[in-house]
Amino acid sequence: GAGVSQSPSNKVTEKGKDVELRCDPISGHTALYWYRQSLGQGLEFLIYFQGNSAPDKSGLPSDRFSAERTGGSVSTLTIQRTQQEDSAVYLCASSLALDRVSYGYTFGSGTRLTVV
Amino acid sequence: KNQVEQSPQSLIILEGKNCTLQCNYTVSPFSNLRWYKQDTGRGPVSLTIMTFSENTKSNGRYTATLDADTKQSSLHITASQLSDSASYICVVGGFGNEKLTFGTGTRLTIIP
Repeated sequence: GAGVSQSPSNKVTEKGKDVELRCDPISGHTALYWYRQSLGQGLEFLIYFQGNSAPDKSGLPSDRFSAERTGGSVSTLTIQRTQQEDSAVYLCASSLALDRVSYGYTFGSGTRLTVV
Repeated sequence: KNQVEQSPQSLIILEGKNCTLQCNYTVSPFSNLRWYKQDTGRGPVSLTIMTFSENTKSNGRYTATLDADTKQSSLHITASQLSDSASYICVVGGFGNEKLTFGTGTRLTIIP
C-alpha cells in the first residue's frame, strides 16, 4: 500500500480482556517497529522485526505483550489481560532495512487503546 | 540512560511569525537525529534527517540544525502557517541499534 495501515484506529476494551492490534507495513519494507505513546510521554519502543531474523523484543513491558509478523509483512501486537496502564496510542512504523537513515521510518496513524 | 529533551513544551505564535524549537540529547553512540511533525490523531511524519556530519538540513520552511559536539539540535520554522499547528518531535537514533529515542515533543499552536 501507499502507507502504513493500522487497525482498528480506536479500541475500547474492558480490563482483563485480550486485544489484537494490526499493522500493514509499506510493501517491500522489511523492517517493522511497534511503539507506544502514552499521554504526555515520548514514544516508547516495544518491538522490532527485521526480515527473517529473530525480533528484538527488549521493549515489551511485560509478558502480557507479544507480537508476530507473518510472512514478513503484516504484524499483530497482542495484549493479554489488559490493564488500565496499557491505555495508549500504539504506533507501527516500517522502513527499508538497507538504508534507514536516508529513507527514515514511515509511521501509521496508530491505534488508540483505552482500557476501562 | 539515553534521553532526548525538548523545549519549550508548548508554544503559541501568530501566523506569519518565525519560531525555533530546541532539542538536547544524551544518546550515545549517536547515529542520526530526526525531526517529525505529528498532527493530532496521526502518526509522526518525517521532516528532516541528519547524520553526525551534517550541520543543517532544510525542508521548505523547516530548517534543522545539529551540533554533535554539544548534542543539541534546533528546528526553525519560517513564516508560520496555521497548518504548522502540531507536535514536533525530536528523535535520535543510536549507532548500531534500532531503538530510536523520542523526545516528548513541542506542542506548537499557530493563531491567526
